This record gives sequence, structure tokens and C-alpha cells, in this order.
Amino acid sequence: QQQVKQSPQSLIVQKGGISIINCAYENTAFDYFPWYQQFPGKGPALLIAIRPDVSEKKEGRFTISFNKSAKQFSLHIMDSQPGDSATYFCAAWHNNFNKFYFGSGTKLNVKP
Amino acid sequence: NAGVTQTPKFQVLKTGQSMTLQCAQDMNHNSMYWYRQDPGMGLRLIYYSASEGTTDKGEVPNGYNVSRLNKREFSLRLESAAPSQTSVYFCASSDNRSGGYGYTFGSGTRLTVV
Repeated sequence: QQQVKQSPQSLIVQKGGISIINCAYENTAFDYFPWYQQFPGKGPALLIAIRPDVSEKKEGRFTISFNKSAKQFSLHIMDSQPGDSATYFCAAWHNNFNKFYFGSGTKLNVKP
Repeated sequence: NAGVTQTPKFQVLKTGQSMTLQCAQDMNHNSMYWYRQDPGMGLRLIYYSASEGTTDKGEVPNGYNVSRLNKREFSLRLESAAPSQTSVYFCASSDNRSGGYGYTFGSGTRLTVV
């Protein structure tokens, strides 16, 4: 049973466009929701994160939108650039088990 | 530089051989994790150690063993490698006491079993 469901699996966006990646979860015990960015041949790196008491968090061109009642959160990349081409993972932290549950990943390709 | 160090970066094994993947972190983190990453499967948790002296199974523990040698080091052992264990392995650490500020990942070990 996948605890965090991520979509789409892949995404192609033109340079300057908006990239949107969605995640949904079921377990209301999750209390921290990060997004990770992974470039080929590298380990995932923390990009941005949000806690459930906040509906939106923005850092530069990256925004997380969080809908607690719907148990959904999304990553928006504004003015997408070719350098943003990477695989993105959403995750949810379960404090009782001290571990993250990851989505299956989205491969983003930003075309010049 | 502070972070998570994994060795080796690449390894080719023959079916039935054994090997140990090493991981060390210098951030004084309590928790450490081993994941495998396969195309289309995302990151799957193999084993984790919430604190020094404890280890727990993740989603895909079969065929693996782990040792939390001390607070810094967490190793993953393949006793009898199988082609199905061909994957990229990532070690991560976390300071879970603070409610989670995310994982820090190592750069990975690319393992091929032939």
C-alpha cells in the first residue's frame, strides 16, 4: 500500500512555463512534507518543505501548496528553466516511526 | 564538507558474492536509512536505524542485513547477491529529534549483479 501517491510520472514543460506536481496522502499522522530534487547521478536533495499548519510556502520560484482537508500538497515551479530538469519526489514524515514515506517521483523535462 | 559519505560509488558483483556498503555521516544525526532506487519505483526503504543501537526493517528488507556500528556509521550487507539487487543504493541521515528537517542523502552506490 503506497502511503504517498505522486503524479504525474513525467512532465514536459516549456521554458518559462509553470510546472505542477501533485501528491496525496491518507495518514493524518504525517506532520512534515518536503520535496526533494534529484539530478542524474546524484542523491536527492531537500528543495522545500511545509508543515500542515501552513497552507502555502514560497521560496524563490518554488511554492508548496498544502490542502490539509483534502490531504493533498503540490509543488509549483514558476518560470521553469532547463536547469530545473530533474526528478522530484514528495515525501511525508511519520513522527511515530521516524521515517519518511516517499512518492514514486516525477521526471521533469524543461525544454528550452 | 559535512554530509553523508557512501562507499563504494560503483560495484559489480557476481551472483552469490557478498559485499558491504558503507555509510558515514558527520552531522551528529540520530537516524540513518538505506534506500534503493529503481527506475519507475521511486525510493524504497530497505532498513533504518532510528537511533544508535536500534535497527528496523523497511519495505524491502529481504536479502539484506544492516549494522549500526556507532552513531556515525550504518552499513548494508548483501550476503548472497542476486541480479534483482541491481540498483542504486542511497544512505540518508536525519535529526529526528527536531521533528524532521529532512534527510541528507549520500551520493549513492551503483551496484550491478551479473
